[in-house]
Amino acid sequence: DQQVKQNSPSLSVQEGRISILNCDYTNSMFDYFLWYKKYPAEGPTFLISISSIKDKNEDGRFTVFLNKSAKHLSLHIVPSQPGDSAVYFCAASVGSGGGADGLTFGKGTHLIIQP
Amino acid sequence: NAGVMQNPRHLVRRRGQEARLRCSPMKGHSHVYWYRQLPEEGLKFMVYLQKENIIDESGMPKERFSAEFPKEGPSILRIQQVVRGDSAAYFCASSPRLYSGANVLTFGAGSRLTVL
Repeated sequence: DQQVKQNSPSLSVQEGRISILNCDYTNSMFDYFLWYKKYPAEGPTFLISISSIKDKNEDGRFTVFLNKSAKHLSLHIVPSQPGDSAVYFCAASVGSGGGADGLTFGKGTHLIIQP
Repeated sequence: NAGVMQNPRHLVRRRGQEARLRCSPMKGHSHVYWYRQLPEEGLKFMVYLQKENIIDESGMPKERFSAEFPKEGPSILRIQQVVRGDSAAYFCASSPRLYSGANVLTFGAGSRLTVL
């Protein structure tokens, strides 16, 4: 049973436009959410996170929105740049202070930024 | 300024052989996690270790898989009698202390195991 779902395997966006990556979860116990970015032949790198006590967290061009009632979160990248082309993983855990043994990952979305 | 180092990057084994994957954590980090990514899947937690101690192995398959993090040297993920279904990318991540929080994890580039 997939507790964290990223239903779009890939997404193509024009450079300069907004990229919106979506993630749904089913476990209502999750209260901490993260986005990771992964380039080919590299490991995932942490991008941004949000706690369930918030509905928005912003860091430069990256904003994560959380809709707890819908069990949905999204990552907005604006403006999109060629270097943003990568696979983006959504992850969730119970408790932000817990270990990463509690992390549940989605399957990832491959974002392609078109020039 | 080495990050998390994993080797080998690529490993090919025949069914029934043993696979050993090594992970050296980032300098200053004393805790190691192993994740597995099967084709077309997300990363799945396998095991969480500190030096000479397994903290959580709830994600490890019950048979053929073992992990250690000795006092000296890298962490090792060992897969005995490999089968085709073990073909995957195995990622190691490290953190500075017990239960540091997922946002301070540093991942290695992964080891890709192919079982023929």
